[in-house]
Amino acid sequence: NAGVTQTPKFRILKIGQSMTLQCTQDMNHNYMYWYRQDPGMGLKLIYYSVGAGITDKGEVPNGYNVSRSTTEDFPLRLELAAPSQTSVYFCASSHDGTGELFFGEGSRLTVL
Amino acid sequence: GQQVMQIPQYQHVQEGEDFTTYCNSSTTLSNIQWYKQRPGGHPVFLIQLVKSGEVKKQKRLTFQFGEAKKNSSLHITATQTTDVGTYFCAGSTLEYGNKLVFGAGTILRVKS
Repeated sequence: NAGVTQTPKFRILKIGQSMTLQCTQDMNHNYMYWYRQDPGMGLKLIYYSVGAGITDKGEVPNGYNVSRSTTEDFPLRLELAAPSQTSVYFCASSHDGTGELFFGEGSRLTVL
Repeated sequence: GQQVMQIPQYQHVQEGEDFTTYCNSSTTLSNIQWYKQRPGGHPVFLIQLVKSGEVKKQKRLTFQFGEAKKNSSLHITATQTTDVGTYFCAGSTLEYGNKLVFGAGTILRVKS
């Protein structure tokens, strides 16, 4: 039981490039989330999903897209990367949307 | 929108001293959760409080939820070097679709 797995752990992008952060969970959780963490700012919700085929915006969705074709996977797509997207990204899942969040180990992204 | 404020931002204590972090919400919360993040790590769930005035203990950690369900605190008795990290509170409300909103966190450093 691996929990929540994120790849890659580290990535450097040039301005304007695109990439996808991968997230997969093996706990059969319906709810999945993407957060970004900036120093001193806590975690901000980017997008979330309540089940396969259903996604919705969080607090800071601009510049990102998501999809949820399966229960296990919830990739985050960055189009036209900007320096403001330099951050640590965490994927998380929960069983019922009101309880404990299980976080992945994070993906540190730098946009230069 | 829903806001969760956490103080202090940073605290440096001598090993053996007590530590408290406080969390305040602009709206009444349906539940509050606490997470710990070790340096370079990912947030790990500590506890969830749902009842007005609730108090829960985990060894040296005491968690409280205010009577009005708008504030919470985490108190650590006799800190140890293993307590080092950032402590986050996160609250949710029915009005906000039960999505967790995180505080900015309190960074705890323990000097031995």
